[in-house]
Amino acid sequence: AQRVTQPEKLLSVFKGAPVELKCNYSYSGSPELFWYVQYSRQRLQLLLRHISRESIKGFTADLNKGETSFHLKKPFAQEEDSAMYYCALKKYYGGSQGNLIFGKGTKLSVKP
Amino acid sequence: DAGVTQSPTHLIKTRGQHVTLRCSPISGHKSVSWYQQVLGQGPQFIFQYYEKEERGRGNFPDRFSARQFPNYSSELNVNALLLGDSALYLCASSSLSGAGDLFFGEGSRLTVL
Repeated sequence: AQRVTQPEKLLSVFKGAPVELKCNYSYSGSPELFWYVQYSRQRLQLLLRHISRESIKGFTADLNKGETSFHLKKPFAQEEDSAMYYCALKKYYGGSQGNLIFGKGTKLSVKP
Repeated sequence: DAGVTQSPTHLIKTRGQHVTLRCSPISGHKSVSWYQQVLGQGPQFIFQYYEKEERGRGNFPDRFSARQFPNYSSELNVNALLLGDSALYLCASSSLSGAGDLFFGEGSRLTVL
């Protein structure tokens, strides 16, 4: 069954420290993975997608098919990075149609 | 652009009642998806509509139904409410028929007493 696992409910780091939010997935086929973020009092929004190989707000994520992981990393955390982070997997149900399977989320807290 | 708008933002119902939640997508977006987010969990897929047709359905009972109108707005209906239906209901729109690049609304917080 398709599944996304985020093992940490809460991750607390100090400003300037490296950050790694873990995400593991289970999917038969070629996965499409995303990271969504929800800042306090804001709506859920897309942070990055693995197919774009982009860096957004200093965050990167590399798909590791061998380890079935898609960890989110940032070398130097900032206080404004404090938010709820969700890893998501696209599940196809027909042609290009699909929905997202979300993990339970990790709350990142960056202390000054 | 106002983004995805949902109404109502909060509502309280009692068990057995019916609820209708509404969503207006971003202008130009033809796909609307609904997700349920229970406290402490990630969003869970309920429905996807594209061009007014149901294109996908999650693992939810038949008490849940939805539809999309000619202007691409959408309604989610839940009948015979249960306590377990208490959740944040999120609507997301996309310009494509697939699920990538979803733009979420702020949600409708439903409490069932």
